[in-house]
Amino acid sequence: QQPVQSPQAVILREGEDAVINCSSSKALYSVHWYRQKHGEAPIFLMILLKGGEQKGHDKISASFNEKKQQSSLYLTASQLSYSGTYFCGTERNSGTYKYIFGTGTRLKVLA
Amino acid sequence: DAGVTQSPTHLIKTRGQHVTLRCSPISGHKSVSWYQQVLGQGPQFIFQYYEKEERGRGNFPDRFSARQFPNYSSELNVNALLLGDSALYLCASSLGETAGVIEKLFFGSGTQLSVL
Repeated sequence: QQPVQSPQAVILREGEDAVINCSSSKALYSVHWYRQKHGEAPIFLMILLKGGEQKGHDKISASFNEKKQQSSLYLTASQLSYSGTYFCGTERNSGTYKYIFGTGTRLKVLA
Repeated sequence: DAGVTQSPTHLIKTRGQHVTLRCSPISGHKSVSWYQQVLGQGPQFIFQYYEKEERGRGNFPDRFSARQFPNYSSELNVNALLLGDSALYLCASSLGETAGVIEKLFFGSGTQLSVL
């Protein structure tokens, strides 16, 4: 039931690009992306509300393919500050509301 | 403006005891949700409250309960603590303009609970 993220972990050099995928076995109506650094709370990155929607912030962008029940997060020209664990999140509402985080992707950017 | 504040930051309890965790949302936010995060895993949704009413519940036993007060602050209560309840408990607030759904969540720093 939990969205599955891939890869589980990735190591990059500064300036390299990365893609993190989030796949759900159930319909996705919205996708949220968060980054959590070790010992800190998750920080909001972006929300995608419609199928096909793409959003970007600085060098981080995301796409949402509602048909494929997938979302992807794109990190361009990685910076050291991008290191952390990335989570996708989505909502379920089948009688009662639930918010579900994905399995997480650990990203480490090296100098 | 102050962010989401949680108290206490750390707590040590023994099995069978009861614990109360507290959360103050960002001023103007009407929705609060609670999450349990075990080391190395993603946050697991416990509850969501909006305007003092429970709007969502995760797959947690009845030992877990929560409430939201008129000032929108919230408490999470856990009874009959088990070793497996040891985790970081995160609180998040959101504006609640759309009954708390599809909104940006602002997280507090969490309460680290250790059950011995």
